[in-house]
Amino acid sequence: SYVLTQPPSVSVAPGQAARITCEGKNIGDKGVHWYQQKPGQAPVLVIHFGGDRPSGIPERFSGFNSGNTATLTISRVEAEDEADYYCHIWDSDSDVQVFGGGTKLAVL
Amino acid sequence: QPQLQESGPGLVKPSETLSLTCTVSSGSIINTTYYWGWIRQPPGKAPEWLGTIYYSGSIYHNPSLKSRVSISVDTSKNQFSLKLTSVTAADTAVYYCARQGPPSERFLWFGELLGSFDPWGQGTLVTVSS
Repeated sequence: SYVLTQPPSVSVAPGQAARITCEGKNIGDKGVHWYQQKPGQAPVLVIHFGGDRPSGIPERFSGFNSGNTATLTISRVEAEDEADYYCHIWDSDSDVQVFGGGTKLAVL
Repeated sequence: QPQLQESGPGLVKPSETLSLTCTVSSGSIINTTYYWGWIRQPPGKAPEWLGTIYYSGSIYHNPSLKSRVSISVDTSKNQFSLKLTSVTAADTAVYYCARQGPPSERFLWFGELLGSFDPWGQGTLVTVSS
């Protein structure tokens, strides 16, 4: 089965850029979706199809995927960005949807 | 954006059937663009996709749970439902319903059939315990 691997945690100072990776075989050929989840809340879509930002999501959120790595970048991180982030894809080989294990973003 | 709300028992006994309903408001479940999905998240873990249904009744299942999962839609009530049979403690989780979009044309070539989940319901915690 398809596996998405994310680092358990990323730490960044306010105002700096945070980069959260999601690794999977040939993920560059897939539509990668990213969700932000704050404690006790439902996930919120922040990036879909690799780099498209839904309406209402700040411009500081961006995404890119190529090869075996997808990256969510949050430029000029703010305290409110502290949350868990999950990547998600559709695996066309097995017709199964897969989530990454999640990355906890800590704003120092 | 529609709003989604899960409802159902918060406590289920082992070996019994978990039943949840998702009510869609501020939008019709009869929509030729969107699908409707169930996702669960055990405490402290990542989300797990359970299945997705179209208003016509077409269903995509997670094969790892397919024999235990049943998803249905009731267009007259603007609801869709989840049943999970023979539950164990491992099925304890927050269960979410969500609207799922279509795939991007860029990825149809690669065989993708569904897109992102947006929005999600608030989720409901289901505990399996005697």
